Amino acid sequence: GAGVSQSPSNKVTEKGKDVELRCDPISGHTALYWYRQSLGQGLEFLIYFQGNSAPDKSGLPSDRFSAERTGGSVSTLTIQRTQQEDSAVYLCASSLVFLGLGEAFFGQGTRLTVV
Amino acid sequence: KNEVEQSPQNLTAQEGEFITINCSYSVGISALHWLQQHPGGGIVSLFMLSSGKKKHGRLIATINIQEKHSSLHITASHPRDSAVYICAVRIGGGATNKLIFGTGTLLAVQP
Repeated sequence: GAGVSQSPSNKVTEKGKDVELRCDPISGHTALYWYRQSLGQGLEFLIYFQGNSAPDKSGLPSDRFSAERTGGSVSTLTIQRTQQEDSAVYLCASSLVFLGLGEAFFGQGTRLTVV
Repeated sequence: KNEVEQSPQNLTAQEGEFITINCSYSVGISALHWLQQHPGGGIVSLFMLSSGKKKHGRLIATINIQEKHSSLHITASHPRDSAVYICAVRIGGGATNKLIFGTGTLLAVQP
């Protein structure tokens, strides 16, 4: 597609259940980022993938959070044993990185509600 | 103290006014982004700067690397410009190439 695609757009889950969020970046973009935005808060970095390098996981808030990027393209963010504080909009972005630069293109986000 | 500070946090303007949003940062960066987030939550990248000035339509972005400061200007503002404007800096390179965001400036342009 022409842009970054995320699915689902909305997800309501019960506390304690696992969820998977999907991000399909722009074709050819080597960098992929996951962020989250809690209600009334700014954007919070979660994890960054760049090509075949080991991902930067420094933003993951707990070991319940993990992410994979298969084949250098699609990424899945998994949250295990969800908690109410996990409720947020999860945003994915991708960029074509050259010499450390590149426009970041964002998906529309997945709104996660943990009840 | 946040590594990226924006001001003002909230801004109300009358249609047609010239608007300036400021961003200061305290870390070494490779680039700075200005993003626009509409009430529906979608985020659009407006500019990416590593030096100087860029202009797109009624939007102008400048950056002063020595002073670690950037400004986003909107000329002849319009109600459709109402959104949250977010400054983000890109730090490091290669495997540590991540964005750090400011908390955003909520702009409301009244007709």
